[in-house]
Amino acid sequence: DQQVKQNSPSLSVQEGRISILNCDYTNSMFDYFLWYKKYPAEGPTFLISISSIKDKNEDGRFTVFLNKSAKHLSLHIVPSQPGDSAVYFCAASYTGTASKLTFGTGTRLQVTL
Amino acid sequence: DTAVSQTPKYLVTQMGNDKSIKCEQNLGHDTMYWYKQDSKKFLKIMFSYNNKELIINETVPNRFSPKSPDKAHLNLHINSLELGDSAVYFCASSQRTGGGGIQYFGAGTRLSVL
Repeated sequence: DQQVKQNSPSLSVQEGRISILNCDYTNSMFDYFLWYKKYPAEGPTFLISISSIKDKNEDGRFTVFLNKSAKHLSLHIVPSQPGDSAVYFCAASYTGTASKLTFGTGTRLQVTL
Repeated sequence: DTAVSQTPKYLVTQMGNDKSIKCEQNLGHDTMYWYKQDSKKFLKIMFSYNNKELIINETVPNRFSPKSPDKAHLNLHINSLELGDSAVYFCASSQRTGGGGIQYFGAGTRLSVL
């Protein structure tokens, strides 16, 4: 049972344009969401996060939006750059005695010139 | 200076062998994790330790045994390796447990069982 889903396995965007990566979740207990970026042969690198008490968090070119009622979050990258080409993973966790990240299957972003 | 380091980066071995993967973090974090990324690229938690104490064990076969000599190290021992164990294994750490914490990952160990 996949509790975090990224339904688009890949996305291609032109340099300078906006990239929008989507993520859906099913577990209503999740209260913290993260986006990770992964290059080949490297580990996932933390990008940006959002708590369920917020609906938006911004960090430079990266903005994450959370719609709790729809159980949906999205990552916006503006403007997209060739160095953004990577696999992006959405992850979720919830407050409790133990924590673990539940990951989506990732979206491969290709930023073209 | 690498924050979370894993060794080895690549591991090729025969079925039935026993192998270990080491992980060290220099971030001063209390919690460490092992994740497995399978052939479908799905990253899934295996174990979590907080201050050397096991807090998560996600129904992983007994052939996998984590060992934490101190809170900066979490090693993974795998006995009687099987073909299905081939995957990339990632170590991670976070400042605290209980949710809401950012986890920092190592570069991964690609295990190939022949």
